[in-house]
Amino acid sequence: QVQLQQWGAGLLKPSETLSLTCAVYGGSFSGYYWSWIRQPPGKGLEWIGEIHDSGSTNYNPSLKSRVTMSVDASKNQFSLKLSSVTAADTALYYCAARVSWTDGPPYWGQGTLVTVSS
Amino acid sequence: DIQMTQSPSTLSASVGDRVTITCRASQSISRWLAWYQQKPGKAPKLLIHKASSLESGVPSRFSGGGSGTEFTLTISSLQHDDFATYYCQQYNTYPYTFGQGTKLEIK
Repeated sequence: QVQLQQWGAGLLKPSETLSLTCAVYGGSFSGYYWSWIRQPPGKGLEWIGEIHDSGSTNYNPSLKSRVTMSVDASKNQFSLKLSSVTAADTALYYCAARVSWTDGPPYWGQGTLVTVSS
Repeated sequence: DIQMTQSPSTLSASVGDRVTITCRASQSISRWLAWYQQKPGKAPKLLIHKASSLESGVPSRFSGGGSGTEFTLTISSLQHDDFATYYCQQYNTYPYTFGQGTKLEIK
């Protein structure tokens, strides 16, 4: 059973870079699709992007200029960086994983609340 | 981007009721649709993928249907544990997009 555990800084100032990491426990790390989703307080879900084990990425165009995703297979981890954050980036950030492109992601991290405030 | 529209936004129902939530896509997504359940303070839980395939461990009172642009999530007999917010998501075309959510409340 795959489990995801995520961490990262929870309080940022405007213009700083958000950095989150998600560690994968159980199951095989290779071949998966690793994604990030966020949820502003009291609002709905927004898909940020996805990276495949091969290294190929797909980002939401609304965030593409500021997003970088990466995978570290040696540590069974994947990461999200979002640069030049503003208050609009305040949200609960989730990492998620799916084995096949035919599925929605069944595996989710616990979520990390990131607040951007001066 | 493909727009996903759920209806209703809020649904009041009682234990034992049969309820249906609708999700419409702004263009055809074939059957590449997932349904999630989210409870306060928790990560979304995948219920259904590929429009109608039930995830392992999800009760059989949940069912999904549809294809193209119109999809449904039906709960055949509501249980206390089912009161939550439900989201649809298309994964046919990047960027993947979610519906705005349907909050299922106790009447």
